[in-house]
Amino acid sequence: GAVVSQHPSWVICKSGTSVKIECRSLDFQATTMFWYRQFPKQSLMLMATSNEGSKATYEQGVEKDKFLINHASLTLSTLTVTSAHPEDSSFYICSARDTGTLRTDTQYFGPGTRLTVL
Amino acid sequence: QKEVEQDPGPLSVPEGAIVSLNCTYSNSAFQYFMWYRQYSRKGPELLMYTYSSGNKEDGRFTAQVDKSSKYISLFIRDSQPSDSATYLCAMQTGANNLFFGTGTRLTVIP
Repeated sequence: GAVVSQHPSWVICKSGTSVKIECRSLDFQATTMFWYRQFPKQSLMLMATSNEGSKATYEQGVEKDKFLINHASLTLSTLTVTSAHPEDSSFYICSARDTGTLRTDTQYFGPGTRLTVL
Repeated sequence: QKEVEQDPGPLSVPEGAIVSLNCTYSNSAFQYFMWYRQYSRKGPELLMYTYSSGNKEDGRFTAQVDKSSKYISLFIRDSQPSDSATYLCAMQTGANNLFFGTGTRLTVIP
């Protein structure tokens, strides 16, 4: 149980294009999902918290117009990197909090999406 | 000062050794403590979850929390090559954001 998937797992795009990453909770409902970015040999940095049916909350220093987050259902959140540049190349990981259990504090992570911007 | 401090390693041990991984933290409001394992180019996998102080054991893994010292540990007994990964500690005050350590890269040598 508590499986989170991400799609795609790997994407290469040209500078200036937009890329959409999907995060799905497969066997549970998630009112809240989180988006992290991880650079090589560094820890996870929280980018934003996504709540179903409302606007995402972005961490300080994260451009909300560049990283568009949509959480349209209890099982799906999307992150769109708009006008991507090489410095946006990173490993993007989502996590979801299981709304339906008592352990609402536990986050389950997706496998990550590696973005390379040429 | 970071909220969570973790020695990044790398740490290399022979197969069968006992591994000790540690984190310290500064926020006394943290109540939930986790250890995640992350293989290269994969998402973190929840290994251990502990609420407040005390010990928790799961197979070869033991998590310890000492809130008075603001110190948590993960012990791996009889370490295996398949345990080679980066281990991340994480903690939170409640149903809020997770604060991660930088991760310790572990290699278990056959």
